[in-house]
Amino acid sequence: GQQLNQSPQSMFIQEGEDVSMNCTSSSIFNTWLWYKQDPGEGPVLLIALYKAGELTSNGRLTAQFGITRKDSFLNISASIPSDVGIYFCAGQLHDYKLSFGAGTTVTVRA
Amino acid sequence: DVKVTQSSRYLVKRTGEKVFLECVQDMDHENMFWYRQDPGLGLRLIYFSYDVKMKEKGDIPEGYSVSREKKERFSLILESASTNQTSMYLCASSETYTQYFGPGTRLTVL
Repeated sequence: GQQLNQSPQSMFIQEGEDVSMNCTSSSIFNTWLWYKQDPGEGPVLLIALYKAGELTSNGRLTAQFGITRKDSFLNISASIPSDVGIYFCAGQLHDYKLSFGAGTTVTVRA
Repeated sequence: DVKVTQSSRYLVKRTGEKVFLECVQDMDHENMFWYRQDPGLGLRLIYFSYDVKMKEKGDIPEGYSVSREKKERFSLILESASTNQTSMYLCASSETYTQYFGPGTRLTVL
């Protein structure tokens, strides 16, 4: 599959903080998706992006499809404890297969 | 809501055993996928299927086979389990680009 570089690998959040993560690729993607995985569960879709430049929100989450179609970012505003988990970006190149990033693990700062 | 179920949440098998992982989706989706998830590696595609009795290799098919006799069911088979197949296995289904995941099966091979 295509290589997606997701960063940061991990982050600590404090309640109320805004956090950001991003994905880049050497390939152009037609669709970008962001998923969240809670411990012991499968990933759940957060946001889907279909057009270059598209900016989409879902509650406190905002994601953008980069103009070059090679990157995407996800922002979480005013984080809360239940935001902890692993966030994955995924890109769709052709047909219905997705390539996934390695994930960003979000943990609450003690 | 889309529902994807997997036959077991946790499974422990011995080296050399034949292992069946079952996945069922209830949304009449054409496409089904099997991934394995390992820390730091994200989700890697093992096999996928676009239709009944159809299957195509993903990025890491070695040591695995699949079966899709009915549209709603996609099975992953480990012919002779090995310790390096200890992992979290995730099944997904889709109609287009958005994939919906099951809760995962954590397989341990001793």
